[in-house]
Formats: sequence, C-alpha cells, structure tokens
Amino acid sequence: DAGVTQSPTHLIKTRGQQVTLRCSPKSGHDTVSWYQQALGQGPQFIFQYYEEEERQRGNFPDRFSGHQFPNYSSELNVNALLLGDSALYLCASSFLSGGTDTQYFGPGTRLTVL
Amino acid sequence: AQSVSQHNHHVILSEAASLELGCNYSYGGTVNLFWYVQYPGQHLQLLLKYFSGDPLVKGIKGFEAEFIKSKFSFNLRKPSVQWSDTAEYFCAVKKKSSGDKLTFGTGTRLAVRP
Repeated sequence: DAGVTQSPTHLIKTRGQQVTLRCSPKSGHDTVSWYQQALGQGPQFIFQYYEEEERQRGNFPDRFSGHQFPNYSSELNVNALLLGDSALYLCASSFLSGGTDTQYFGPGTRLTVL
Repeated sequence: AQSVSQHNHHVILSEAASLELGCNYSYGGTVNLFWYVQYPGQHLQLLLKYFSGDPLVKGIKGFEAEFIKSKFSFNLRKPSVQWSDTAEYFCAVKKKSSGDKLTFGTGTRLAVRP
C-alpha cells in the first residue's frame, strides 16, 4: 500500500524565483492538504484540495497557489520566493468522501531559498 | 485565533522512565485531537487520535492520551520509554467548525538515554 509521496526531496532556489512541489496521495485517498514547517516549529496549514478545487485556505499570501489533478495528485506553487519561504513543505492526504478525518503525511520537500 | 500549546520543548529521560507530554488548546467547541511523531529522518506518523467516546485513547507502541475537556488538554503518556522513542512529538487539533485544517503545537523533542 503506497503511502504519500512527494517530490523533489530537496530544492534550492534564489529569491524571486518560482517553485513547484508535487504530491501523490495515499492509495484510496481523495483529498490533499499542504503544510509549511519552518525550523523548530510545528506544521502550518497552507490549503486543502478536494475535487480539484481549493476547499480551505490558511493564512498564506496569494503567492502560494495549488492545483489538484483528476488522479488526486496535487501541486503546490510558490511565486516570488522570499528567504522566509525556506521550510519543509509537507503534503497530507485523507479520504474526505469516506468521512475519514485522519491525515497521513508524506516525507516532505525541503526548500531552501538563497 | 486557535492555538495549541506544548509546554515541554525538550525532554530528556532514561530508558524505563515514565513519560507525560502536555498539550493544551485554546478554544471550545467540538474538536478532534491527534498526536503525531516524527522519528529522526522519517516523516510524521500518527500515534493516536481522539474523535469521541472514551477520553482515554490508546495508540501504537504503548502510547496513550487522555482528553480532559474541562482542562482543554490532551496529554500523551507512556509508562516506560525506550531508546527507540527518541523523536519529536506534535500535538494537533482540528476544530470541527473550521473544516479539516490541523493546528499543530510547536513540538516536543524527546531524547531517551539508553
């Protein structure tokens, strides 16, 4: 049973650039949530996608956008990167249609902005 | 705003010692409660969860947690820790009226000495 997978594992960008991170949910799941985990902090909710639409959003600027594809996989895009965007980006999947509230996390993508 | 507090940032124990990690949240209403663990080099894994019913919930690897509604607390316990329990532990809360987003505490880093 494949768990949540994310790519790439690590990424280095410079300020002002744009980045795309990818996530494949756990088999059978239909919902993807994205979190940002800064060093020494707990994960912070960015947004959630269900049925290819943004269902809920946290307190992140519009530079953070996403997409969900028909196969339930998802992308997180960040434009105009800032130094403060350096963090571990986590994807979590769940089965919203099945009423399962539990989110399962992937290994994350470590983004470094120079 | 919602907040989740984990007062113990770093805990050092010897093997066989008992463990209790505190978690408090700052809002009323119906909540779902979770403890996640992140072992060194691994991704966030679900330890246990509380949705309703018996306030004492048992999770994997001998962990348990007690939901005390009057104290807005969900403390994690283990009677006898092992070296392999060395990890970072995160408490997370989902407020039913706020959709599916998880609000995490800042985490507690546990080191168990052999």
